[in-house]
Amino acid sequence: ETGVTQSPTHLIKTRGQQVTLRCSSQSGHNTVSWYQQALGQGPQFIFQYYREEENGRGNFPPRFSGLQFPNYSSELNVNALELDDSALYLCASSWNYGGEQYFGPGTRLTVT
Amino acid sequence: AQSVTQLDSHVSVSEGTPVLLRCNYSSSYSPSLFWYVQHPNKGLQLLLKYTSAATLVKGINGFEAEFKKSETSFHLTKPSAHMSDAAEYFCVVSASSGTYKYIFGTGTRLKVLA
Repeated sequence: ETGVTQSPTHLIKTRGQQVTLRCSSQSGHNTVSWYQQALGQGPQFIFQYYREEENGRGNFPPRFSGLQFPNYSSELNVNALELDDSALYLCASSWNYGGEQYFGPGTRLTVT
Repeated sequence: AQSVTQLDSHVSVSEGTPVLLRCNYSSSYSPSLFWYVQHPNKGLQLLLKYTSAATLVKGINGFEAEFKKSETSFHLTKPSAHMSDAAEYFCVVSASSGTYKYIFGTGTRLKVLA
């Protein structure tokens, strides 16, 4: 059984640029959630996708968007990057929404 | 609306003594509650979950938590701390009001003294 994987591991971008982060869910899981974890803080819920539809969103602006594909992998897109977007971005998958989530190792994004 | 409060940002215990990490929650709907652990430079790992079944929940590595609706609490305990328990612990509440939100607490850093 393959766990949750994320790519890339690290990324450096310039303010104003756009970035795409990728996540492969654990085998058998149809739900993917994305989180932002700033240094020294707890993860903040960005949104969740269930069977290719967004079914939950946290307090993040529309420049944070996502997709889920038929194989249940997912992308997180962030437009017009700001310095405060520098954080660890975590992806988690679960079997069905509301279930226990299994986290990937994260993508460390640095915006300069 | 949902929220979760971890009452202690740092907890220090001696190896072999009990661990208590406190979590209070607020939810307008029947919540699911979780505890996760995050070791330095490692991913988040699920310790245990409550989803409206038994109120005393047993997890991995000897941890357990008790759901107390009257106190809106979900404290994490372990009878005897081990050095390997040193990590950051997060309490999480989730509930649905048509759409799902998962709210993490701010975390409790557990230090285990030899």
